[in-house]
Amino acid sequence: QKEVEQNSGPLSVPEGAIASLNCTYSDRGSQSFFWYRQYSGKSPELIMFIYSNGDKEDGRFTAQLNKASQYVSLLIRDSQPSDSATYLCAVRGRRGSTLGRLYFGRGTQLTVWP
Amino acid sequence: EAGVVQSPRYKIIEKKQPVAFWCNPISGHNTLYWYLQNLGQGPELLIRYENEEAVDDSQLPKDRFSAERLKGVDSTLKIQPAELGDSAVYLCASSPGTGDGEQYFGPGTRLTVT
Repeated sequence: QKEVEQNSGPLSVPEGAIASLNCTYSDRGSQSFFWYRQYSGKSPELIMFIYSNGDKEDGRFTAQLNKASQYVSLLIRDSQPSDSATYLCAVRGRRGSTLGRLYFGRGTQLTVWP
Repeated sequence: EAGVVQSPRYKIIEKKQPVAFWCNPISGHNTLYWYLQNLGQGPELLIRYENEEAVDDSQLPKDRFSAERLKGVDSTLKIQPAELGDSAVYLCASSPGTGDGEQYFGPGTRLTVT
């Protein structure tokens, strides 16, 4: 069983819509969760992190965490064509030497069309 | 503040040849990571350093891969000999603290083994 699961998509939304990206994880005790954006041919860029249950908002981005359901999501409001990228969900390891290791999902490809 | 620096950005070598990648982390970041990213996949950790010490190298194929982080700043990742399956993007990341901080990635080195 993979540590982190994401729907690989592609997800396509019109400009101005809300894009919803979802991620589940297998380690119930996980504490730290991250969303990275990766444009084609570029490296991952950290856009959000969340450590507590509930919502965390930063501009047009909202991360949502539900530890009971082992589910983390990223909402992008007022989506723009420049948001078109692959979004990677990552969960930080918490045991011994794996503390600090990020376990990534395969990423969800998002396309925002004008 | 300068980000993570990596070189070279691209490398093409023939199989069985050696190759080395260099990384300079963000100033003041104690923890340095090397990840490997295959096409269509999320990054996977190869090795994590806290200062000069390799604290998580369980995913590093030690028969052909080696790494060092002398003086706790720059790091070098080496492959010898390279195989066709090593073609991938090699990403370096750094974080403050001891593995519990947010990780920031460099631009990566795209390796092609022919």
